[in-house]
Amino acid sequence: QQQVKQSPQSLIVQKGGISIINCAYENTAFDYFPWYQQFPGKGPALLIAIRPDVSEKKEGRFTISFNKSAKQFSLHIMDSQPGDSATYFCAASTSGSARQLTFGSGTQLTVLP
Amino acid sequence: SAVISQKPSRDICQRGTSLTIQCQVDSQVTMMFWYRQQPGQSLTLIATANQGSEATYESGFVIDKFPISRPNLTFSTLTVSNMSPEDSSIYLCSVAPVGLAAAKNIQYFGAGTRLSVL
Repeated sequence: QQQVKQSPQSLIVQKGGISIINCAYENTAFDYFPWYQQFPGKGPALLIAIRPDVSEKKEGRFTISFNKSAKQFSLHIMDSQPGDSATYFCAASTSGSARQLTFGSGTQLTVLP
Repeated sequence: SAVISQKPSRDICQRGTSLTIQCQVDSQVTMMFWYRQQPGQSLTLIATANQGSEATYESGFVIDKFPISRPNLTFSTLTVSNMSPEDSSIYLCSVAPVGLAAAKNIQYFGAGTRLSVL
């Protein structure tokens, strides 16, 4: 059973545009929601993360919006650049001793020059 | 952030053989995980490598197929046993470090091992 659903599967954006990737989760015990960025041939790198006690977190051009009641969160990339072209994964985990990450299916972002 | 070294970075193996993948971290970590990422797919957790005890496997993964060792706080190995072409995948090690990062559930990933089974 997939616990984190991610959309779209692929996204093409013009340089300078806004990229938006959405995720929805089912498990209400999740309390940590990171986004990972993965370039071809590399491992995933933590980009930004949020906890459910805030509705938004911004780091540079990257913003997470979180809607606890809807069990949804999204990644916004402002002023998208060709260097942002990568695969983005949302994920979720619970606090405590386990802390395994449950990943979404991934979004392949292409930013056109 | 933790620096993770995974070896080998890639390999091509024959059906029926086994491959051991190593994961070395530059600092002590609380938890180490092994993931599989099939081509163009998401990451699936194989198991949690426990220091000094047997690994904890996720549903669909068994110790006989994916034996894991973690002899200390900075090193772990994953063996892919009796390989078949369906095992062709990227295998990734991740770590949850001690200290403040641990409280934030942060995990760092190695670059992965790209395995092709003929």
